Amino acid sequence: DAGVIQSPRHEVTEMGQEVTLRCKPISGHNSLFWYRQTMMRGLELLIYFNNNVPIDDSGMPEDRFSAKMPNASFSTLKIQPSEPRDSAVYFCASSKGSTNEKLFFGSGTQLSVL
Amino acid sequence: DAKTTQPNSMESNEEEPVHLPCNHSTISGTDYIHWYRQLPSQGPEYVIHGLTSNVNNRMASLAIAEDRKSSTLILHRATLRDAAVYYCILRYGGSQGNLIFGKGTKLSVKP
Repeated sequence: DAGVIQSPRHEVTEMGQEVTLRCKPISGHNSLFWYRQTMMRGLELLIYFNNNVPIDDSGMPEDRFSAKMPNASFSTLKIQPSEPRDSAVYFCASSKGSTNEKLFFGSGTQLSVL
Repeated sequence: DAKTTQPNSMESNEEEPVHLPCNHSTISGTDYIHWYRQLPSQGPEYVIHGLTSNVNNRMASLAIAEDRKSSTLILHRATLRDAAVYYCILRYGGSQGNLIFGKGTKLSVKP
């Protein structure tokens, strides 16, 4: 099992540019989570999907952020336009869906917006 | 969301047991108690979880108070690789429960 795969591992961009982060969940998992981690705010849940449907997006900071899950094996988190305060590590996680199931996290994407 | 309270940091000696406490006085009957840890420069990883009874697995043990208002994660023999931030999380036991992380406890292990 390859685990949760995120790309890119590192992204450096300039303010105002569009950024797309990608995630491939573990096969057979039907829940997918996007988290953001900073020193100041810790790990924040941005959005989570169940069976490709967004269930809770209350953590998405503002309209500049959007997430999609077009199928069970792929999800994207897009920031447009990006700002320096978006600099963080973004983690994707997946699980089998039941609240009794554990989450598996990817290695994260380190985003730096200059 | 029900919240948890953990010490900011703890220290342990290698090869000794470690007891990491967590208070969750507002826990509801359907909340599961989950523990995750995050090693430096890695994503969080699952450690253990439980509802009412104590739980054991190859990584750790989870002791849950009878009133469920507190729990303790037990690492039986700490190693240097156990140095990490440990998160105690309550997860709603309904059909679509989120996993909300707090600040966690930073565990340091001394050789």
